[in-house]
Formats: sequence, C-alpha cells, structure tokens
Amino acid sequence: DAKTTQPPSMDCAEGRAANLPCNHSTISGNEYVYWYRQIHSQGPQYIIHGLKNNETNEMASLIITEDRKSSTLILPHATLRDTAVYYCIVSATNSGNTPLVFGKGTRLSVIA
Amino acid sequence: DGGITQSPKYLFRKEGQNVTLSCEQNLNHDAMYWYRQDPGQGLRLIYYSQIVNDFQKGDIAEGYSVSREKKESFPLTVTSAQKNPTAFYLCASSIRSGLTYEQYFGPGTRLTVT
Repeated sequence: DAKTTQPPSMDCAEGRAANLPCNHSTISGNEYVYWYRQIHSQGPQYIIHGLKNNETNEMASLIITEDRKSSTLILPHATLRDTAVYYCIVSATNSGNTPLVFGKGTRLSVIA
Repeated sequence: DGGITQSPKYLFRKEGQNVTLSCEQNLNHDAMYWYRQDPGQGLRLIYYSQIVNDFQKGDIAEGYSVSREKKESFPLTVTSAQKNPTAFYLCASSIRSGLTYEQYFGPGTRLTVT
C-alpha cells in the first residue's frame, strides 16, 4: 500500500502557483520523498525528490516540513501542459532498486 | 536517443491467447519493472528484476510471466490465465545515483483483449 495521502483533485489557474500537498506521517529516516507526474496516456515522469531539505529544479520546488511528515510540491507558474496526475511517493534508499509504490495521486487541472 | 522503448503502443488480442509486450532500454540501467494501470487508478507492480537472470513477483503477478536474459530487455507475457488483462502496461528502469535512485518510464502499451 502507498504510504502517502494526497487530495484526489485540485484546480489551478494558468500562470498561478500550484501547491500540491502530500502527507507521509509514517515516513522512516531513510526514506526519500519522490514526486512523479503522469500526463494522460503517457508513462510517469520524474519531477523531483528530497530527504529533508527543500529542493528546487527547473520543473518544481519541493518543500518538506521539519518533522518530515508532510511535503508540498510547488509548480511556480502553472501552464495548461501541467495538467496531469501527480504522485507523491516515499521510498527507502538503502535497499537497492526497490520498486516505487504508487497511490492514486492528485489530478491537477490547470484552467485557462 | 537514450530511453525506454515499449512496443507496440496499442495491442489487440482475442481472449485465450498469450501475448508478449516488449520493453527495451539503452540506459544501461540494472533494474527493470512492469506495472499495470487500470482507468482512474494508480500503478500496480507486476514483476521486477534487479539484475540479469533474476526477477521477483510484485503485487499482482498471477497470470503474467517475465524473463531477463539481457540487461536491455525485460519482456512481459500476459497469459490466458490472467482474468482481466485489458489495461495500460508500463515498463520502467532505474539506476542508483549516490544515495538515491532514479526511475524512468516508457510510453506504455495499451492492451485490449476481447
């Protein structure tokens, strides 16, 4: 079972920041937080990951709370192409290439 | 181009026939995975392989079989024993990068069995 809880859907106006929350209250010390997204009928795409520090790349920012029990993915200026299902996943790093466990994610709709 | 190739994109079969889905990667990744996705659902793990000639069952392996004879290839066979094979099938591969690993997905094969 997925170790994360996400809202099933969210809307965001085009050009505004999209903030996608994720709860992972049972996260272990060696588990990273990963975010992927899946555009309709395509394979999931890696976005970002982090352990305890906030992270930023060209796609998004990841804010992890100090207790690591929740995180927020931020798309700073959402476009229509960001409409997708976003998956928050926690996974250990010291057990080899462990398969990721996907929940149902959050369906983000960016509205013009 | 480097990446993961799945073919074909759409596949149609009659009930009772076995069908093999192709997955090839030229990323030199050690591990490969097969997931199944049903409409409105997340991905569920069928099989995975961390090294050549070795693979493990995932959560829904019944009715499926795999082989890993080469590092680049991880074909999935959907057998007639799979009760509800119509679904979107996704192949992935991953490689360790420092303390984490990165997983990449192919474009998927949509299988329809009638």
